[in-house]
Amino acid sequence: DAGVTQSPTHLIKTRGQQVTLRCSPKSGHDTVSWYQQALGQGPQFIFQYYEEEERQRGNFPDRFSGHQFPNYSSELNVNALLLGDSALYLCASSRDFGGNTIYFGEGSWLTVV
Amino acid sequence: QKEVEQDPGPLSVPEGAIVSLNCTYSNSAFQYFMWYRQYSRKGPELLMYTYSSGNKEDGRFTAQVDKSSKYISLFIRDSQPSDSATYLCAMSEGTNAGKSTFGDGTTLTVKP
Repeated sequence: DAGVTQSPTHLIKTRGQQVTLRCSPKSGHDTVSWYQQALGQGPQFIFQYYEEEERQRGNFPDRFSGHQFPNYSSELNVNALLLGDSALYLCASSRDFGGNTIYFGEGSWLTVV
Repeated sequence: QKEVEQDPGPLSVPEGAIVSLNCTYSNSAFQYFMWYRQYSRKGPELLMYTYSSGNKEDGRFTAQVDKSSKYISLFIRDSQPSDSATYLCAMSEGTNAGKSTFGDGTTLTVKP
């Protein structure tokens, strides 16, 4: 049973560029959340997708956007990259919207130079 | 001020010691409390969760919640070198764990 998978694992981008990160949820899960984890800090909630719609959003600017596909996989897009966007981006999935157990992927390391 | 504050550590203990990890929070709406373990910046792994004040035990781990004081703890008994990791507390307003607020983590090293 595959867990949450994320790609790419590592990437380096230049300030001002755009990036797309991808996530496939755990089998049987239909809800996906995205988190940003800066070095030395805990994960910060970006947004959550269920039934292909953004259901919850954290305190992140509109440069951060997402999408969920009919197969429940999800993308996180970040436009106009800033140096401060350098972080580990984590995807988590749950069986239902409002589910009390989430499973995290290994994350995508983004470095902005 | 952050909604969730976690003792920063780092903590270094000898094998077999009892470890106490602590978080305080300011949001009274938090109802659901979780502890995660994170190895070497991998994805966090859920250890325990609880809804109510009181203690919940699972093997060597005990989670304690005091809602009146807005304080939660995780105790690890008979600590092992394999417990060396960063421990994150997290909480949410409802049961939607997908929208959680995390502490910044405490790094624990258990020395053989």
